Amino acid sequence: EVQLVESGGGLVQVGGSLRLSCTASGFDFSDHYMDWVRQAPGKGLEWVGRGRDKAHSHTTEYAASVKGRFIISRDDSKNSLYLQMNSLKTEDTAVYYCARRGGRDSSGFFHDFDFWGPGTLVTVSS
Amino acid sequence: DVQMTQSPSSLSASVGDTVTITCRASQDIDNYLGWFQQIPGKAPKALIYAGSRLYPGVSSKFIGVRSGTDFTLTITSLQPEDFATYYCLHYHPYPYTFGPGTTVHIK
Repeated sequence: EVQLVESGGGLVQVGGSLRLSCTASGFDFSDHYMDWVRQAPGKGLEWVGRGRDKAHSHTTEYAASVKGRFIISRDDSKNSLYLQMNSLKTEDTAVYYCARRGGRDSSGFFHDFDFWGPGTLVTVSS
Repeated sequence: DVQMTQSPSSLSASVGDTVTITCRASQDIDNYLGWFQQIPGKAPKALIYAGSRLYPGVSSKFIGVRSGTDFTLTITSLQPEDFATYYCLHYHPYPYTFGPGTTVHIK
């Protein structure tokens, strides 16, 4: 059974840092791209960034709102994805979800964002 | 960057109704469009990928259609568990963006 569990959320001051983890089980983590998505209280979903697999050199992509402040990394030996968040702002307050890009279907389309973790809350206080 | 507009922002419907939600992309995104359902306090659930394809295990009551840069999600025979917020997401090119969401309320 595919499972994703985020951890590391909490209360942090403006300008501070926090590292979130997403621990995966039930699938071969090293073969999959992974994403971070966040949701501010009472608001919609916002894509944060993506970490590619080892075959694609663990390269990353980011939303403009976090580029230069957040870093996505992973440790395939620990089946874990990370989100290092620096220079935090009050507008970074949100529930942070990790999501998996699944495999391809018979027509070659990827099952992007097929499984999600329950999320972890980050609160940035001024 | 691609912008996603979504309409309506909310709607009211009764059990058994059929409803349709629309997302429009600001430029051609081919079929790189997914639909997600979110119940308050829960993580989003994937419904449709590539514009019209159901994720495994998802009910065929969810129907996705593409027409150019317009994408629709139709939900047939609404049941109590279908009252939720629905989001579209384009996932090519970067950066990805979600639509603002449509909340389906019980009438």
